Formats: sequence, structure tokens, C-alpha cells
Amino acid sequence: ETGVTQSPTHLIKTRGQQVTLRCSSQSGHNTVSWYQQALGQGPQFIFQYYREEENGRGNFPPRFSGLQFPNYSSELNVNALELDDSALYLCASSLGASGGNIQYFGAGTRLSVL
Amino acid sequence: RKEVEQDPGPFNVPEGATVAFNCTYSNSASQSFFWYRQDCRKEPKLLMSVYSSGNEDGRFTAQLNRASQYISLLIRDSKLSDSATYLCVVTPNTGGFKTIFGAGTRLFVKA
Repeated sequence: ETGVTQSPTHLIKTRGQQVTLRCSSQSGHNTVSWYQQALGQGPQFIFQYYREEENGRGNFPPRFSGLQFPNYSSELNVNALELDDSALYLCASSLGASGGNIQYFGAGTRLSVL
Repeated sequence: RKEVEQDPGPFNVPEGATVAFNCTYSNSASQSFFWYRQDCRKEPKLLMSVYSSGNEDGRFTAQLNRASQYISLLIRDSKLSDSATYLCVVTPNTGGFKTIFGAGTRLFVKA
């Protein structure tokens, strides 16, 4: 086990709603990255938080936002849900924000938007 | 052109076979390279980092060719348990953190 936990495991929402996904990082890790993985695709980088600050962002609209807390756990918020937001959302924690750091993934939250 | 491209697959091989996956990347300033493995409906897990000098871990060998901008993964003596999707991962030097995953190559090892 990686020690990275995500909640909830599954979620069903309707178009236009808002959702919050949560991630607890591995003990000692100060960095959390979030990814969206559509069926049959590789994970797409959404953003990274390092010591409570956004440290990098992929090509996702502003309705995807996040937070990192002092204990380094993190939230991903998605507003105005669209059907295409249906995917597996993964968080990964690492010790440091360098690209060379190994990322440890949680089991993900599977979001379905109807 | 995608930033990271992998062999589309799937690869179907018998147990004991040797199989090679290739991955190309477009950003020549990319810094870090990895291979992750993802089992069906599970999270990705690190298989190995890829170093400029090449590296080996048991039956797995990874190579990096910076001049041609590709990385490779060789699996020798394939086992049934190697059946999974193999994801190529590149971290470009963009000033802020960014990680790019390839779409993955599916491997089926059959008895």
C-alpha cells in the first residue's frame, strides 16, 4: 500500500453540480498532485500543491480548483460539472515538488456525471 | 503531436517472451523519466525510474536516448503477472511542476 488515501471511492453527480474530492498524503510527504484519467487514457495532470501553494497547473479550466492544508492533505474541487468530467481522479503524494521525486498514487475516486 | 507518445498496443505475448515498449517525447528539455505500471481499475505504481546511463531491475531494463528523445522498457522472460498497462512518464522543464503521462501500452501475457 502507498499510504495515500482518497475519498470517496465512487461518486455520482449531475451536470452543473459541484464536487469535492479528498486526498490524504503519505506520512512525511509535503506535495500532492492531482490527475484526471479518462477510460483508456493515461492520467492527465491537473495541478500540484507544494506546502499549501499551487506549484504547477495543467490544461484544465479554472472551475478545477484545489487546496492543500497544513497537514498536507488536499482537496480537488470541480464546479459546474460537465459530462466529460466523468473519469477516475487520482492524487499522488511525493516528498518534494521536484520532477525527479517519485509519486505515490491513491486508489482514486471514480466520478460519474449524468 | 502529443507531448508523450507510446506504442499503441496491445501486445499479446506468450510466457517467457521478451517484449519491448517505446515512448517518444517532444520537449527536449525534459528532466525526469519513469515507467509506471497500472493494473486494470487500479492506480498507477512506479515500475522504475529511467536514467541516462540506462538501468536494470531484475527482468526489466529501461533505456533513455536524449538525442532521439525516446525511452524504452524491455521485459525479459515475461510472466502472467506482467499483464498490465505500462505508462511512460516525462517531467518537462517548464519552470513549474508538470508531469505528462503517455496513453499507456497494454500487455497481455498468456500461458
